[in-house]
Amino acid sequence: DAGVTQSPTHLIKTRGQHVTLRCSPISGHKSVSWYQQVLGQGPQFIFQYYEKEERGRGNFPDRFSARQFPNYSSELNVNALLLGDSALYLCASSSFTGYPISNQPQHFGDGTRLSIL
Amino acid sequence: QQPVQSPQAVILREGEDAVINCSSSKALYSVHWYRQKHGEAPVFLMILLKGGEQKGHDKISASFNEKKQQSSLYLTASQLSYSGTYFCGTEGSRNAGGTSYGKLTFGQGTILTVHP
Repeated sequence: DAGVTQSPTHLIKTRGQHVTLRCSPISGHKSVSWYQQVLGQGPQFIFQYYEKEERGRGNFPDRFSARQFPNYSSELNVNALLLGDSALYLCASSSFTGYPISNQPQHFGDGTRLSIL
Repeated sequence: QQPVQSPQAVILREGEDAVINCSSSKALYSVHWYRQKHGEAPVFLMILLKGGEQKGHDKISASFNEKKQQSSLYLTASQLSYSGTYFCGTEGSRNAGGTSYGKLTFGQGTILTVHP
């Protein structure tokens, strides 16, 4: 079975631009979460989506938004890019069906490496 | 609130044991453990739910003391393949206050290096 797939793998943008990152969950998983991982740090929670609805949001500015599609794939959008947005963006899917969130393991994709010049 | 991991780094020879600790200032519902190798995605190791349980996975086991809000990961008879960065992720209890319920908050990681 395919794992979590993310695209693109690498992306270079300049300050002020907009970016869209994509994620396909493991087949059968309806929950997708997005994380930002800065070099040398642990993943930081951005969003969780379940059944196309936002179920959780981390401490990130409104420049960050996401959505989930009927096939449970997801997009993360970041507007007005800043140098500090340079990071590895990880998507994780799980067989979450209700709180608490952490009854189920998160299965991570390989991430999108975003570099802002 | 981010859990605190200790030590920040540990170097072992094959066959040696190691313990990685994870502490939170808030009451916890659960602790997750993941391992991430350089340039790769974090890989799930185990979940511990409140109740003081201990789990094992091959020669890797973990404990969770909910009263102390601490978890420890035990790696015995380490192998070269154990090298990587280990992260604990915590979910706060519903009555812990704040916004830690409903999301995983990861520690800063512990870098484990195993030499032949």
